[in-house]
Amino acid sequence: TQLLEQSPQFLSIQEGENLTVYCNSSSVFSSLQWYRQEPGEGPVLLVTVVTGGEVKKLKRLTFQFGDARKDSSLHITAAQPGDTGLYLCAGAFDYKLSFGAGTTVTVRA
Amino acid sequence: ETGVTQTPRHLVMGMTNKKSLKCEQHLGHNAMYWYKQSAKKPLELMFVYSLEERVENNSVPSRFSPECPNSSHLFLHLHTLQPEDSALYLCASSQWSGQGHRDTQYFGPGTRLTVL
Repeated sequence: TQLLEQSPQFLSIQEGENLTVYCNSSSVFSSLQWYRQEPGEGPVLLVTVVTGGEVKKLKRLTFQFGDARKDSSLHITAAQPGDTGLYLCAGAFDYKLSFGAGTTVTVRA
Repeated sequence: ETGVTQTPRHLVMGMTNKKSLKCEQHLGHNAMYWYKQSAKKPLELMFVYSLEERVENNSVPSRFSPECPNSSHLFLHLHTLQPEDSALYLCASSQWSGQGHRDTQYFGPGTRLTVL
């Protein structure tokens, strides 16, 4: 089982601030996915990164895949209350996804 | 009907009960998954079905029994569960392309299971 560690576990910030969530592993993954999960719902895919060093932007969200494909980060600029949720990273190994335990982000209005 | 649906959304059962969780996907996918999500722990992959054949069984206790009658439906039959089995059970589906790492998994809303 490939283990992914996410940090921090909890993050509470004021609306308009920036935040970064990290995902680290000792394993090399074929790709890495970021999901957001809201209470009472299943995870929803935000992005998939495949190439080492890849950077993807989705409006105010910036995702980066490490050069060695062992780590990733999610940066949110000018966070809004609607960004509140559990952010999960998942590393793909063959057809399996190994998930991190998640970072709970709370954005206060 | 939205992508992946699960019923029931909430289930409370005693340790001697038998119940089933149902998952249905409307995305035309050919692979389906069961995951267990416990508080403060990573999602745990339980079972994978591809083209209605089970390809993964992650050392799951026999009190959990999956069934995949066709590519659109997946069941998880439960019997003689323990309180530590209380968790959110998530179903997902994907289109098995042969390039597993590129297959996006779409999740249902989950069934919140409580075992008394």
